[in-house]
Amino acid sequence: AQKVTQAQTEISVVEKEDVTLDCVYETRDTTYYLFWYKQPPSGELVFLIRRNSFDEQNEISGRYSWNFQKSTSSFNFTITASQVVDSAVYFCALRIYNFNKFYFGSGTKLNVKP
Amino acid sequence: EAGVAQSPRYKIIEKRQSVAFWCNPISGHATLYWYQQILGQGPKLLIQFQNNGVVDDSQLPKDRFSAERLKGVDSTLKIQPAKLEDSAVYLCASSSATTSGSRYTQYFGPGTRLTVL
Repeated sequence: AQKVTQAQTEISVVEKEDVTLDCVYETRDTTYYLFWYKQPPSGELVFLIRRNSFDEQNEISGRYSWNFQKSTSSFNFTITASQVVDSAVYFCALRIYNFNKFYFGSGTKLNVKP
Repeated sequence: EAGVAQSPRYKIIEKRQSVAFWCNPISGHATLYWYQQILGQGPKLLIQFQNNGVVDDSQLPKDRFSAERLKGVDSTLKIQPAKLEDSAVYLCASSSATTSGSRYTQYFGPGTRLTVL
């Protein structure tokens, strides 16, 4: 069975602090995709990144970086120098290659205070 | 490229009434999903279409929820009759079956916030 766990329900930081959002997944399949989505107060889920199970290279995009480690089944997301606009709920998701179905974590609410 | 469109954005109804939501996916996207997101939780898949056929509706409460995707494009989700516990955001998403790479990604619409009184 597939499962995504985001143990951090809510995190509060002060602007310019770095923050890491944790994501742990479970699957027996060897080919899969991992995703991060951002859900701002407006409600729409915004796609941030997709990684496949064969690519463990870390990725950096501006202030965002992702650390994928198959050995620990984790796909963590770090925001460097956080800003108030980063305040949102962030979801991690898993998709198995042969099945077009997504498994979402319960989300982590990030509050960035000025 | 236009995103996933949904309407209405907000709906308030009384329990036992009926309601319908509409979704227009990104052009060319063969797969369409309806999710229910209760406050404080992650999205829960209700139904998944591939073109106009149902792929997965295992978590759709079929006694009150129905969905269709005529002609493999637009889709409607209906609740009849609504219950208090149906209060949630209903999200529509789509993904491409033809473009490599991005076809594995879902793109979401803005959602419809339903309040059942």
